[in-house]
This record gives sequence, structure tokens and C-alpha cells, in this order.
Amino acid sequence: NAGVTQTPKFQVLKTGQSMTLQCAQDMNHNSMYWYRQDPGMGLRLIYYSASEGTTDKGEVPNGYNVSRLNKREFSLRLESAAPSQTSVYFCASRPSGRTYNEQFFGPGTRLTVL
Amino acid sequence: QQQVKQSPQSLIVQKGGISIINCAYENTAFDYFPWYQQFPGKGPALLIAIRPDVSEKKEGRFTISFNKSAKQFSLHIMDSQPGDSATYFCAASWGNYQLIWGAGTKLIIKP
Repeated sequence: NAGVTQTPKFQVLKTGQSMTLQCAQDMNHNSMYWYRQDPGMGLRLIYYSASEGTTDKGEVPNGYNVSRLNKREFSLRLESAAPSQTSVYFCASRPSGRTYNEQFFGPGTRLTVL
Repeated sequence: QQQVKQSPQSLIVQKGGISIINCAYENTAFDYFPWYQQFPGKGPALLIAIRPDVSEKKEGRFTISFNKSAKQFSLHIMDSQPGDSATYFCAASWGNYQLIWGAGTKLIIKP
């Protein structure tokens, strides 16, 4: 049981390049999330998916797109990377049927945009 | 009203001492208040959580104190150890809505 996995661990992009961050969970969770973490700002929600086939914008969705490929996988795409998107990106998932919003996090992807 | 304000930004505590981190919120609809612990290079992990119908929850050396009237909650780490050195985040949510996160507190426990 690997939990939440993310690839790649590190990535350097040039301004204007595109890339997709991959996330997968093997816990049969319905809900999945993408966050970015910047120094002194905590975690900010980019997009989330309450279930397979649905996605919704979070607090900071501009410049990103997501795909909930199936129940296990939730990818985040940067179409034209900008230096402001330099951050650490975390994927998380939440168990189904729980009353409370306990989320399980992956190890993160550290992205630098030059 | 969506914010969760966390303080201090950083904290240094001697080994064996008590670490205290505070959070305040405005939205009275929040009904779930977790604390997450994050080590360098890792994702956050749930440490302990509380609902507003209780004033305190204790798990080992970690205690959440909750003051509903003041709209504040805090994390207390008793007998702090060097292994507790990490960044701690408070958060809040209502229903199954998204978590609203505090800015984090970097805790250093000096041996």
C-alpha cells in the first residue's frame, strides 16, 4: 500500500514550457486534491475532484488544468509555465464516507520555473 | 471570514519544554479543526484533530485546546523532543468542504 504517490519529485522548466504532474492513490479514495505550498503562505488549493469524472476550482486555479483520469489518478497540467508557478505541489486524497475532512498527502513535487 | 490565522511563524523550544502554537478563525460554520505535521521534503500528515463540541483532545504528548467563544484553538506539545522539530499547520473546514490552512509554524526543539 503506497498511499499517495507523485511524479516527478523535482522539475525545472523554462518560462512557457508545459508539463504534467502525476498523482495516484491506491487507497480507493473518492476525493483528490492539488495544492501548492509557498513559504509563509501555507497550502493553497488549486483544484479538487470530489469523485471520478468531476473537478472543481479551488483558491488559485489560474494557469492550471486538471484531469481525473480514473478513481486512482489525478493529474495537474501547466500549459505555459511562469516563474510565479515556482512552488512545491502536493497531491492529497480523502477517504469516502468520512464525516471529517482528513486528507492524506503525497511527498510533493518541487517545481522551479526559470 | 475564510482565513485561519496561525502564530507564531517560528518557535524555538528547549528539549523537555512545552511548545504552544495558536490559531484563530472567523467562520463559525467550521466544524473540524486538524493539525498537520510536516517534515522537510515530505507531505503534511495529520497529527491530531478536534470538533468544536469538546474543549480539549489529548493524544500522547499532543493536546488540542479549543475555545469556541474566542474562536481560537491551540496545539500543545508536552515534553518536546528534537524529533518534534517540523513545520506545523492548523486548518479548519465545515462539512466536506475544503480545508482552510494556516500559514504554518516552524518548530525547532533544541537538545
